[in-house]
Parts: sequence; structure tokens; C-alpha cells
Amino acid sequence: GNSVTQMEGPVTLSEEAFLTINCTYTATGYPSLFWYVQYPGEGLQLLLKATKADDKGSNKGFEATYRKETTSFHLEKGSVQVSDSAVYFCALSDLGYSSASKIIFGSGTRLSIRP
Amino acid sequence: DAGVTQSPTHLIKTRGQQVTLRCSPKSGHDTVSWYQQALGQGPQFIFQYYEEEERQRGNFPDRFSGHQFPNYSSELNVNALWLGDSALYLCASSSWAGGTETQYFGPGTRLLVL
Repeated sequence: GNSVTQMEGPVTLSEEAFLTINCTYTATGYPSLFWYVQYPGEGLQLLLKATKADDKGSNKGFEATYRKETTSFHLEKGSVQVSDSAVYFCALSDLGYSSASKIIFGSGTRLSIRP
Repeated sequence: DAGVTQSPTHLIKTRGQQVTLRCSPKSGHDTVSWYQQALGQGPQFIFQYYEEEERQRGNFPDRFSGHQFPNYSSELNVNALWLGDSALYLCASSSWAGGTETQYFGPGTRLLVL
């Protein structure tokens, strides 16, 4: 079945450092890919998405490119801030019958940014 | 524009009891999905409702059931609670016509089973 594998955390960086969180997927067909972020004590927020190969999703300085040849969707940010500290989830859409779609999530990567 | 809302925010139950969680979708959305997020893990899909019918179901036992109302709001019911049901329960809304793959999540209900 479809699945998502992302790098294990925790990841600890200094403010203004470059961030990469690796994500690879296994899927039949052409799923949409997502990054969600979860701040402490909160629900999930959609950070960015890409719906087809070579698409780049971007938001709040974060970027990820849908790479079909390497089945990857790595999250990057050029200069992280303390406020970026959160858990990041890579995910894909699994389209079922009759247009119903579920989201399959990776296990999450906890990111901590030191001032 | 109100986002996805869920109630209650926290709940404590004992083993064997039953619980009902509630969700109101984002304005303009007609499809509701439910997820269970155990501590330290990614969310797991429970089921999805559209037009008051269950459209897709994940690998959860029949103890988990749901309902959708004509105003698109939804309930998740869990019977015969186990300790392992302790988790954050997330509701997500989407638009059936717009494609249910982009889902917007509520803040969740944290359930503790003692």
C-alpha cells in the first residue's frame, strides 16, 4: 500500500541555519503531496502542497519539490527561526473509490530551533 | 471565516465507556474525515463522510462509528473504550466537488481513557 517515510528527529538547529527534512513516498498512481506542521498543543496546519511531478509548493519561506524520479518531497528553508519549532509531517493523498481521499502521514519530525 | 471546530477540547473516560466527539467543517466544505493521532505518531485515517454516508474507512474496528448531519457537521462515536484509544482525535474538512485530497484540520479533541 501507499506509505510515507520521513527522517527521524529530533532535529536541532541554530537560528538562521538551513533546514532540510527528508521525505520519500511509495504510491501507485500520482498522489498529491503535502507538508503539515503541528505546533505544541495544536492541531495540524497545511504548510504546502504539490499536486503533480516537478511542482514546487512554497509557503512562509518553506519549499518542497515533487520529484517523481526519486519519489521524494524534501522540505527546505533557507533560514529558520525559533518560531519554526514544531513537528513536521510529510503526507500524501490516497484517492479511493468514488472520489473519497484519505491522507497518509509519515511519523513526523520534531524540529527545535535554538536562539 | 470560521475554520474547522471541534468539541470538546479534552475528555477523560474510563475503560468500557462510550464517547462522542463533534466537528463542524470549514465554511463551504461538505466532507468530513476523522483521524486518530497517538502520542508521538502521525495521524491515522478512521473514516470519511459525505452526503451523510461513510465513503471510505480505514483499518479501525466497528467500535468506531460516525454520523454526518444535513448541515455537514459530524460526530465520531467510540464504544467500549480501551486504554489504547487514548489519543488526539482530529477532524478534517474538504470539498467533495473540489477534491477531497486537500483537507483542513481542526484543533483536535484529546481523549484520555483510564
